[in-house]
Amino acid sequence: NAGVTQTPKFQVLKTGQSMTLQCAQDMNHNSMYWYRQDPGMGLRLIYYSASEGTTDKGEVPNGYNVSRLNKREFSLRLESAAPSQTSVYFCASSVAKETQYFGPGTRLLVL
Amino acid sequence: DAKTTQPPSMDCAEGRAANLPCNHSTISGNEYVYWYRQIHSQGPQYIIHGLKNNETNEMASLIITEDRKSSTLILPHATLRDTAVYYCIVRSPYTGANSKLTFGKGITLSVRP
Repeated sequence: NAGVTQTPKFQVLKTGQSMTLQCAQDMNHNSMYWYRQDPGMGLRLIYYSASEGTTDKGEVPNGYNVSRLNKREFSLRLESAAPSQTSVYFCASSVAKETQYFGPGTRLLVL
Repeated sequence: DAKTTQPPSMDCAEGRAANLPCNHSTISGNEYVYWYRQIHSQGPQYIIHGLKNNETNEMASLIITEDRKSSTLILPHATLRDTAVYYCIVRSPYTGANSKLTFGKGITLSVRP
């Protein structure tokens, strides 16, 4: 039981490039989330998916898109990366609105 | 979700109990108190949560005051690996569609040898 896994662990992009951050969970959780964490800002919710087939915007959705591919997987896409998107990205999952379990994070640097 | 207030930092000696306080004076009746921690460069980790009664699990104990306006997380025998930022979060399980967790700045616990 791996819990929540994220790939890649690290990524460097140039401004304007696109990429997809992958997240998978093996706990049969319905809900999944994407957060970003910046120094001094705490975690901020980007998008979440309450159940398979649904997605909703969080606090800071601009510049991102998501796909809930199936119950296990929830991906985050940056279509045209900007330096302001340099951050650490965390994926989390939960059973409905219960305790959230987090992945190890993806560290993204946009030059 | 109600706001929480935590001191910015504290330290304790290895092997001793670490008592981490949290104030949540505006907590409402159906809101739970959650504690998470984040060890440097890792994802947040769930520790414990409670509503009214004190709770204990393999990681920690949670003591909630009778008026529910404050709580204390207790790590009974702190180790160096417990050095982390600890977040106290108040949250209703009946939150609407946006069920995000609001992480404040937390309290940085430093465990010294």
